[in-house]
Amino acid sequence: ETGVTQTPRHLVMGMTNKKSLKCEQHLGHNAMYWYKQSAKKPLELMFVYSLEERVENNSVPSRFSPECPNSSHLFLHLHTLQPEDSALYLCASSQDRDLNEQFFGPGTRLTVL
Amino acid sequence: GQQVMQIPQYQHVQEGEDFTTYCNSSTTLSNIQWYKQRPGGHPVFLIQLVKSGEVKKQKRLTFQFGEAKKNSSLHITATQTTDVGTYFCAGREMKTSYDKVIFGPGTSLSVIP
Repeated sequence: ETGVTQTPRHLVMGMTNKKSLKCEQHLGHNAMYWYKQSAKKPLELMFVYSLEERVENNSVPSRFSPECPNSSHLFLHLHTLQPEDSALYLCASSQDRDLNEQFFGPGTRLTVL
Repeated sequence: GQQVMQIPQYQHVQEGEDFTTYCNSSTTLSNIQWYKQRPGGHPVFLIQLVKSGEVKKQKRLTFQFGEAKKNSSLHITATQTTDVGTYFCAGREMKTSYDKVIFGPGTSLSVIP
């Protein structure tokens, strides 16, 4: 499955580091999403972009900063994270924002020391 | 706000036994989606239900959407080891200006060969 790719697949960072997660979709979709998946917690929707415009921000701390330069690429910039931010970060895309199935990438396993 | 619950949280079955997971929303949904996540993998879309009382089948999997569009179920007949994974429902709540998808916490299925 190569429709949605994410890099890196694993990331270990200190609390003072700045890093970025990258997502790319090759499906021609118009909507892209960032999710956080922690152990024993439901998938948490973080950000939604539709046609490169952010349409939803679910009260995510400012240390997470998304960027969508075009409809195929989505970034999540990380700055001064906390250990509790360690999780699997999943990117997804869908044809449009409404009523469409989402295609997930493999995720980035993030560990904050 | 909207909550989506799933029961059971975990289910261990002997291969060949049936399995059912239930999804309940605190609010009426416009549609519901089901996803499967294998251990170490990412969520993969299974199906979407839109109509009240809708029933859909995929081989050994049967999906139902409740009449009130607040609950759904996934039933697997004669489980196989390939069915192992976590099954998530995702309910789309209708709001005035946009739809918001909320994932349930998932039901983790183990199949004992």
